[in-house]
Amino acid sequence: GAGVSQTPSNKVTEKGKYVELRCDPISGHTALYWYRQSLGQGPEFLIYFQGTGAADDSGLPNDRFFAVRPEGSVSTLKIQRTERGDSAVYLCASSPPDRANTGELFFGEGSRLTVL
Amino acid sequence: SQQGEEDPQALSIQEGENATMNCSYKTSINNLQWYRQNSGRGLVHLILIRSNEREKHSGRLRVTLDTSKKSSSLLITASRAADTASYFCATDRDDKIIFGKGTRLHILP
Repeated sequence: GAGVSQTPSNKVTEKGKYVELRCDPISGHTALYWYRQSLGQGPEFLIYFQGTGAADDSGLPNDRFFAVRPEGSVSTLKIQRTERGDSAVYLCASSPPDRANTGELFFGEGSRLTVL
Repeated sequence: SQQGEEDPQALSIQEGENATMNCSYKTSINNLQWYRQNSGRGLVHLILIRSNEREKHSGRLRVTLDTSKKSSSLLITASRAADTASYFCATDRDDKIIFGKGTRLHILP
């Protein structure tokens, strides 16, 4: 399949540990978005990339969160010193260069993070 | 931060009835989109309406947009059991896409 791939699908970690979540967007998609979704809530914007650069990172909750996209394709969301409140499903979405016409974001299935 | 607010938060209707969900937002937008999410799964794009459009149709979906009131509605006609899901509006302003809290729709057999 050529959809957005997120790994791991599930991650259980202990409070204070470091976590990396990976997103493989659809080939050729230039924009990549990260969201966080808690149970019963809508996706909360974290950051989005156009190519390699973060176009808007205003949604990152604090400096424990960081995301990179070094080659303009795969992105990694990094969370340092995890806290129980970080537990959520982290969603990644990508969109093609002509998104201005189609508007559509293509979502992965998410990475469920549980901090004990 | 979440830009959109959906109303109602939850909706249960009989199969075959129409379902209407509303979305209000706060700032000017380029377009507004609606997405669907089945429990525990990723979101799927349903329809997009641009800021200069007032109404759009796609199959059993009808979306309206009133930029003066900063509101949108999603109508699903002739609902089916398979329409049971959460529905989210998402506002797009300069490529920053913000989602609302969603409406949980349950179709009763």
